[in-house]
Amino acid sequence: AQKITQTQPGMFVQEKEAVTLDCTYDTSDPSYGLFWYKQPSSGEMIFLIYQGSYDQQNATEGRYSLNFQKARKSANLVISASQLGDSAMYFCAMREGGTNFGNEKLTFGTGTRLTIIP
Amino acid sequence: KAGVTQTPRYLIKTRGQQVTLSCSPISGHRSVSWYQQTPGQGLQFLFEYFSETQRNKGNFPGRFSGRQFSNSRSEMNVSTLELGDSALYLCASSLLGQGKLFFGSGTQLSVL
Repeated sequence: AQKITQTQPGMFVQEKEAVTLDCTYDTSDPSYGLFWYKQPSSGEMIFLIYQGSYDQQNATEGRYSLNFQKARKSANLVISASQLGDSAMYFCAMREGGTNFGNEKLTFGTGTRLTIIP
Repeated sequence: KAGVTQTPRYLIKTRGQQVTLSCSPISGHRSVSWYQQTPGQGLQFLFEYFSETQRNKGNFPGRFSGRQFSNSRSEMNVSTLELGDSALYLCASSLLGQGKLFFGSGTQLSVL
């Protein structure tokens, strides 16, 4: 079974609108971390946001927020007020196991290609 | 603070050759992990190093190997290159206990 599922291969959004990118995950480990990365056409993988499984509040980083619904195993990325520079591939990823122990192995989803229309 | 640095940015090799890729983590980060990205298989974990020890390994053949030096810099080596090894190789570093992983710009390897 896939551990990370991103069901939207591509999305087109009007500039300045809010965007929600979907991500569901599957794990039996009570301790895990969820990540979102942006990959523009240049190839670099840009860290956007991180949510730990024990974090009480949804993570936010500037225009990015993570809508974490633990019971539904959902970790959607919300981008407020989209900009042309947001056009890129977006990957959801999960690390199983606690951070203090280490184990920095990420499992990635297949990604969503977001295109912002002027 | 400088980010994760990977060199070289691009590489072209022929089948049967070997290649070494380099990764310098963010200053203070002691964990370095490597990933392969291809259009067909997506992003796949190769291996992870912490304090010069390999802690975790993905499902790749023994032709893929790596190491980490005392200054946390890491190298990965691929021997006897195959056409299917053409990929973007990404390196990530993290600070133990912080949770976040930061990636470099990657090395694009083309095997002809």
